[in-house]
Amino acid sequence: DTGVSQNPRHKITKRGQNVTFRCDPISEHNRLYWYRQTLGQGPEFLTYFQNEAQLEKSRLLSDRFSAERPKGSFSTLEIQRTEQGDSAMYLCASSPAGLTYNEQFFGPGTRLTVL
Amino acid sequence: QKEVEQNSGPLSVPEGAIASLNCTYSDRGSQSFFWYRQYSGKSPELIMFIYSNGDKEDGRFTAQLNKASQYVSLLIRDSQPSDSATYLCAVFNSGYALNFGKGTSLLVTP
Repeated sequence: DTGVSQNPRHKITKRGQNVTFRCDPISEHNRLYWYRQTLGQGPEFLTYFQNEAQLEKSRLLSDRFSAERPKGSFSTLEIQRTEQGDSAMYLCASSPAGLTYNEQFFGPGTRLTVL
Repeated sequence: QKEVEQNSGPLSVPEGAIASLNCTYSDRGSQSFFWYRQYSGKSPELIMFIYSNGDKEDGRFTAQLNKASQYVSLLIRDSQPSDSATYLCAVFNSGYALNFGKGTSLLVTP
């Protein structure tokens, strides 16, 4: 039984560059979430996919952010023209289909540092 | 703004004692409540969830929910140094997102 995986685990980039992160959810989970966490804060919701459909986006998800889940399996999160304020841990979570209480299981995260 | 509040700590307890972590929430319509453990530099790990009033026990962990008072707590019995971590309370209100508190730092001293 493999959990949620994320790649890369660490990314250092210069301001203005584009970055892309990948998330592979638990195989039988059709719900996928992206969160962002900064130091001393809890995770903050960014966006949600059910299968390939993006059903909810937070106001935190500016125009520079885009997420996809093209075949309802893995997902990518792209940040264009990165800013120093984008430095954070980007967390992906997944949850199973059906009647649940929305319990979400997190991957190891991608730590982004923008210089 | 639907708030989830936690005391940031640190909460320090001696090894073998009971650690009590508390969380309050503002939205009376909240449906389910989660406790995550997060070690420094790592991602959150789900340890318990609860959705009805009362207590729910799992090993050394007990989650308590009081919807009338809008609080949820986590008790850790026989605390171990390996329990030292930040404990995040998360609340599901509606939609799809979990709403997290800032977490309480727990330090278990040998």
